[in-house]
Amino acid sequence: DTEVTQTPKHLVMGMTNKKSLKCEQHMGHRAMYWYKQKAKKPPELMFVYSYEKLSINESVPSRFSPECPNSSLLNLHLHALQPEDSALYLCASSQVYFVPGNTIYFGEGSWLTVV
Amino acid sequence: KQEVTQIPAALSVPEGENLVLNCSFTDSAIYNLQWFRQDPGKGLTSLLLIQSSQREQTSGRLNASLDKSSGRSTLYIAASQPGDSATYLCAVKGETSGSRLTFGEGTQLTVNP
Repeated sequence: DTEVTQTPKHLVMGMTNKKSLKCEQHMGHRAMYWYKQKAKKPPELMFVYSYEKLSINESVPSRFSPECPNSSLLNLHLHALQPEDSALYLCASSQVYFVPGNTIYFGEGSWLTVV
Repeated sequence: KQEVTQIPAALSVPEGENLVLNCSFTDSAIYNLQWFRQDPGKGLTSLLLIQSSQREQTSGRLNASLDKSSGRSTLYIAASQPGDSATYLCAVKGETSGSRLTFGEGTQLTVNP
């Protein structure tokens, strides 16, 4: 099973709302990632968790707050977003982060629209 | 800073044609290169991963090659089918980028029946 599951698939939220995106994998992977992808652009790395600890934050605004409750789950908490944050948010995982040979597996993404 | 370029940006071919997608990168200090497929509005599906010590990888009708010293990779698709229509992205994992993936902009492929 090489599956990364993301919920919800679609989310519409107002600029004052608080919502969360969820990601789950059962491959025993210890590295999990959040990427943001705008239309017709490649994915951009936001956060990396390695062994449930935040390893990389690519200078992401604090209105995005990641959380890794356990080795299978990754959340992205959203608060006070702007319309320009509307994008496809992709979760990914790999066996470990710093081992070069790992394949990275992506979920189907969550489409976020901020109104 | 690593830069990844994919040519062409878009490609339209008739069904059955063999085709080549190109990917080039500026810094040859890479651990590996990965080819992905992305259908509209969907996530990325990993197609092939080539380690820096390898020259090529094959999966079914797909063959990816890597020339690390010249900073080039190609994805060869044999006997293309309409179901191959998607955007194809290449990404490199660099030795000097903290193992981050650097993506190209992708090639949008349309295979016409």
